[in-house]
Amino acid sequence: EPEVTQTPSHQVTQMGQEVILRCVPISNHLYFYWYRQILGQKVEFLVSFYNNEISEKSEIFDDQFSVERPDGSNFTLKIRSTKLEDSAMYFCASSMTSGYVEQFFGPGTRLTVL
Amino acid sequence: GESVGLHLPTLSVQEGDNSIINCAYSNSASDYFIWYKQESGKGPQFIIDIRSNMDKRQGQRVTVLLNKTVKHLSLQIAATQPGDSAVYFCAEILAGNAGKSTFGDGTTLTVKP
Repeated sequence: EPEVTQTPSHQVTQMGQEVILRCVPISNHLYFYWYRQILGQKVEFLVSFYNNEISEKSEIFDDQFSVERPDGSNFTLKIRSTKLEDSAMYFCASSMTSGYVEQFFGPGTRLTVL
Repeated sequence: GESVGLHLPTLSVQEGDNSIINCAYSNSASDYFIWYKQESGKGPQFIIDIRSNMDKRQGQRVTVLLNKTVKHLSLQIAATQPGDSAVYFCAEILAGNAGKSTFGDGTTLTVKP
């Protein structure tokens, strides 16, 4: 069964450093998303992406964040200058064109900012 | 503003019993409501969704009920199994928001053998 994959599974970085989280969505999906989940809290929407541009973003997704689909398979989230409060689990998700309600989530990348 | 919440943070049931997980939402304009299951160390897994113009939808061993009058959503799991032990989240989507899902707090379901 096709699935969303994410790398790395765990990323440790120093405050102020840039990180890139990588995702490979399901191959025939065209809508892509990033969510985050701070430990013990609810899952929060960051951004949705379609046709090589951002479709929707939350207040969390400020100028420190960017997304990119650099080739036909990868979808990345970049945090330019990490803060302690960016420590969280980051989930990538994808959905088919015709139904963005059913989103398929990857296993997540745990980001720890020291 | 938008918010989706769950009534109870934890629920413990006996294997074979039915489970009911509840969620209260505040945005009456939401078009879809979704239930996700999250097992330890994994991402949320879509279980079932319901459109706002429906009041009931059934899947395999699961039923979602939507009561728009009191803005209440529930997930019923029939004959709960140990593999159902997980955190369950409700979420809502507004059509036209490009799939932006607003999640509620989770309910941890523990199934006792």
